[in-house]
Amino acid sequence: DIQMTQFPSSVSASVGDRVTITCRASQDISRWLAWYQQKPGEAPKLLIYASSTLESGVQSRFSGSGSGTDFTLTISNLQPEDFATYYCQQGNDFPRFTFGPGTKVDVK
Amino acid sequence: EVQLVESGGGLVRPGESMRLSCVTSGLIVSKSYINWVRQAPGKGLEWVSVIYDDGRIHYADSVKGRFTISRDKSKNMVHLQMNSLRGEDTAIYYCARGNNRALEYWGQGTLVTVSP
Repeated sequence: DIQMTQFPSSVSASVGDRVTITCRASQDISRWLAWYQQKPGEAPKLLIYASSTLESGVQSRFSGSGSGTDFTLTISNLQPEDFATYYCQQGNDFPRFTFGPGTKVDVK
Repeated sequence: EVQLVESGGGLVRPGESMRLSCVTSGLIVSKSYINWVRQAPGKGLEWVSVIYDDGRIHYADSVKGRFTISRDKSKNMVHLQMNSLRGEDTAIYYCARGNNRALEYWGQGTLVTVSP
């Protein structure tokens, strides 16, 4: 099974900050990496798929990059509505998706 | 607009069964990959099962042999029959449509609690 790790596990930031979250796969997953945002009491929301493709309707301050085993999600100009938990998910071992443990972005 | 709505959750004792349903609109289940993903309280996300447009089915090892996914094309619904439930099956269960090797639309989830 492909294992996913994320770091940091949590980050404290302020509105306007740039936040970077890293996701690492235990083996090469090409570009099959997705990012989700989840707020308390809500379902996850797809932000980015195929490493860097922004899902329709998602704000352009979210961006993704990477290939192989190392990936990053960057939130530029952090907004109040961006405080949430972010998960990465590998899609290489399709359909057996696996998720990272999550990164919580909270208020500094 | 695509919508998925789960139902059927609740409290059940260990060893018992429960059937979850996912009603969809704005999509055709027979032309979609519909997944079940669960999230234990305060924990991360775990993929559970998928039914493809062509009817192929896959399960996570943790539920194989106990859970069965199925679909009702006439009602545009997907079901998850869960047997021999265990405490570690306690979670919010989401149905979600797959696309581009990601999960693009999610329901709001239904909570399953397995407890004596």
